Amino acid sequence: QVQLVESGGGVVQPGRSLRLSCAASGFTFTTNGFFWVRQAPGKGLEWVALIWHDGSKKYYADSVKGRFTISRDSSKNTLYLQMNSLRAEDTAVYYCARDFGDFSSGDSKFDYWGRGTLVTVSS
Amino acid sequence: QSVLTQPPSVSGAPGQRVTISCTGSSSNIGAGYNVHWYQHLPGTAPKLLIYGNNNRPSGVPDRFSGSKSGTSASLAITGLRAEDEADYYCQSYDSSLSVVVFGGGTKLTVL
Repeated sequence: QVQLVESGGGVVQPGRSLRLSCAASGFTFTTNGFFWVRQAPGKGLEWVALIWHDGSKKYYADSVKGRFTISRDSSKNTLYLQMNSLRAEDTAVYYCARDFGDFSSGDSKFDYWGRGTLVTVSS
Repeated sequence: QSVLTQPPSVSGAPGQRVTISCTGSSSNIGAGYNVHWYQHLPGTAPKLLIYGNNNRPSGVPDRFSGSKSGTSASLAITGLRAEDEADYYCQSYDSSLSVVVFGGGTKLTVL
């Protein structure tokens, strides 16, 4: 069955870096685009970054542009989120989500999500 | 503030019907972009409930249904059960922002 398992979260000081991973299994990894979506404490869902099925295009929310980098390794069936220059407002549970729609036509939709990994940015 | 507006909370007794609204604008729902709905229990993976405005993935009970009209969409849940108590989010696309957008979420309480 399809599984997405995030890891790499933790407590980090402001200004430091962290790399999240999302291990995928149960499907052909190169078929789908993927999103990172986060949920800050007491808040709703917010998309963070998107990568196309072949890694050729990447998009970022304005709030993380220039600080976060999304990537994927098809040999390991793994999605990554490199987070640099972390801020207190980046504190959130980070989810990876599989897109079974079509972002280019404005129809991204997520059929599988991981359980999330908590990132806490605090001194 | 979220681009898509949802009521913060709704409630209903077991067996009743509740609806959750998702109000957008002419650059997202009103522009014809599809609306999708997710159920989320804290500490778990969000679950796709409705995609493409009114389609249920395999395994989602027909107690859940979606609709869309103009700049708004709605999720209806009939025959409320205790296990339906969760947060519900709508999602679409905004052409002005060129991003995926989520509603702020609605907490459903089963009385």
